[in-house]
Amino acid sequence: DSGVTQTPKHLITATGQRVTLRCSPRSGDLSVYWYQQSLDQGLQFLIQYYNGEERAKGNILERFSAQQFPDLHSELNLSSLELGDSALYFCASSPMTGHYTEAFFGQGTRLTVV
Amino acid sequence: AQSVTQPDIHITVSEGASLELRCNYSYGATPYLFWYVQSPGQGLQLLLKYFSGDTLVQGIKGFEAEFKRSQSSFNLRKPSVHWSDAAEYFCAVGAPPNNNDMRFGAGTRLTVKP
Repeated sequence: DSGVTQTPKHLITATGQRVTLRCSPRSGDLSVYWYQQSLDQGLQFLIQYYNGEERAKGNILERFSAQQFPDLHSELNLSSLELGDSALYFCASSPMTGHYTEAFFGQGTRLTVV
Repeated sequence: AQSVTQPDIHITVSEGASLELRCNYSYGATPYLFWYVQSPGQGLQLLLKYFSGDTLVQGIKGFEAEFKRSQSSFNLRKPSVHWSDAAEYFCAVGAPPNNNDMRFGAGTRLTVKP
């Protein structure tokens, strides 16, 4: 158990809908990363937050947004969902205090868009 | 942004044989480098990491990796593969000093023959 909690584990929704994925980082970790894993795209970096502020941005669609709250949990919002958004979405957290920090991954949320 | 290439999509080895998984990175300086393993339906587990210092790093489950700056490589090795090592292996690169913007390679799927 990495200590990173993602909810829900599974989500099935229809095209055009909006969903929210939640991530609770390890206790004390200030940074959260979001990744999308699909069969044809591999593990794609979406976005990273550090202590509530956006730190880095990857291949995140405009229909997707994220935020990190004062209690450090993070949410990834996916809207106007398309069939191609079906994927496994991972959250990872990292202390990012000082150097030499690694990321710890949650178990993921499997999103199926029908 | 930094990037990672894993040239081998799928590798098959016999149980007891040695293993080497290749990873090449692109980054302007010495990055942070990681190898993660993902079993089916699971999250990603850190095998080992390189931040600085000794270029040969030891990880869990008998794995090791060697950082070669001249070749921009961080190949993963194991002297004797066990059937339980069958999984997907991901190489990742992050930007020091806080492991910002961590990017993953496409992954290498390892099959172990009895």
